[in-house]
Amino acid sequence: EPEVTQTPSHQVTQMGQEVILRCVPISNHLYFYWYRQILGQKVEFLVSFYNNEISEKSEIFDDQFSVERPDGSNFTLKIRSTKLEDSAMYFCASTGTSNTGELFFGEGSRLTVL
Amino acid sequence: DQQVKQNSPSLSVQEGRISILNCDYTNSMFDYFLWYKKYPAEGPTFLISISSIKDKNEDGRFTVFLNKSAKHLSLHIVPSQPGDSAVYFCSLGGGGNKLTFGTGTQLKVEL
Repeated sequence: EPEVTQTPSHQVTQMGQEVILRCVPISNHLYFYWYRQILGQKVEFLVSFYNNEISEKSEIFDDQFSVERPDGSNFTLKIRSTKLEDSAMYFCASTGTSNTGELFFGEGSRLTVL
Repeated sequence: DQQVKQNSPSLSVQEGRISILNCDYTNSMFDYFLWYKKYPAEGPTFLISISSIKDKNEDGRFTVFLNKSAKHLSLHIVPSQPGDSAVYFCSLGGGGNKLTFGTGTQLKVEL
């Protein structure tokens, strides 16, 4: 069964460093997303991406964040100058349909900022 | 942000019995309502959904009920099985697959 894969599974970084989280969505999907879950809190929407551009982004997704689909298979989330409060589990998701809510999530990348 | 509330952080049910998970929301603008299940060290997995024009959707052991006037969503699992033990997230969507999640309910199905 096709699945969304994410790397790394866990990354530890120093505050102020840049981090890139990588995702390989399911191959025939067209819509891509990043969500995050701070420990003990809700899963929160960060950004949606379609046709090589951002469709929507949340208030959390400020200038510190960026997304890219560099090669037609990978979908990356870059966090510039990480802060302590960026520590969270970051989930990538994809889907082939635009408006059903049925997303396929990866296993997540845990980011720890020290 | 209290748009979606799952007031029970945990629920314990005996195998074979019914599990009922509840969710309340405040914003009437959502178009579809979903339940996701999450095991430790895994991402959320879609379980079942219902559109705003329906009040019930059934899929095997899982049934989702929507009461729009009460702004209440529930998930019934019957019969409950040990493999159902997981965190269940209520999730609401209004377009573009931007989902608003609840805080989750940890379901434990005991033998």
